[in-house]
Amino acid sequence: QKEVEQNSGPLSVPEGAIASLNCTYSDRGSQSFFWYRQYSGKSPELIMFIYSNGDKEDGRFTAQLNKASQYVSLLIRDSQPSDSATYLCAVKVPSGGYNKLIFGAGTRLAVHP
Amino acid sequence: DGGITQSPKYLFRKEGQNVTLSCEQNLNHDAMYWYRQDPGQGLRLIYYSQIVNDFQKGDIAEGYSVSREKKESFPLTVTSAQKNPTAFYLCASSIKDYNEQFFGPGTRLTVL
Repeated sequence: QKEVEQNSGPLSVPEGAIASLNCTYSDRGSQSFFWYRQYSGKSPELIMFIYSNGDKEDGRFTAQLNKASQYVSLLIRDSQPSDSATYLCAVKVPSGGYNKLIFGAGTRLAVHP
Repeated sequence: DGGITQSPKYLFRKEGQNVTLSCEQNLNHDAMYWYRQDPGQGLRLIYYSQIVNDFQKGDIAEGYSVSREKKESFPLTVTSAQKNPTAFYLCASSIKDYNEQFFGPGTRLTVL
């Protein structure tokens, strides 16, 4: 069974701090990795994707990938109360000639003033 | 504006009824997907389609059916065979199956 694991949280951080969200995956054939943000009652919104080992930065967000350790993380710098949401990690895997996303259950982030 | 639309936003179904959820995109994406989300759980793939007139079962296809007669449209029917259909249903699309997916606003289905 291909799995994506995330700590459900809540992860509570003070405003202005760095929030670190982590994700592990089981399928070594995984090709690409995605982070989605989901506000309560809303649909997921793509924040970042990463394909290669190392770091990828976009504004206050940094995605980190370590394929050897099967680990992907998302760092949010200068956290704001508006960042409070559930963050979903998704991993793209080959499946029967196609590619599909496997989602983790998400980590709930709470940024307090 | 380009995007993905889903309708209705809320849907109530009586036991034994079939219902159809609409998903339309004007992004010219080839691939479309249906997911189901239950509280505290990740998204689970129901069906996906890479091209018109072709679709594949996902991980939880039992009790659901789809069609892909047009590139822009990928409706999902929840049949009476689906024993626990109450959930948040999300449609997504991507340029190709190896690209990032974008989601519609979702349909919340409740069985009365």
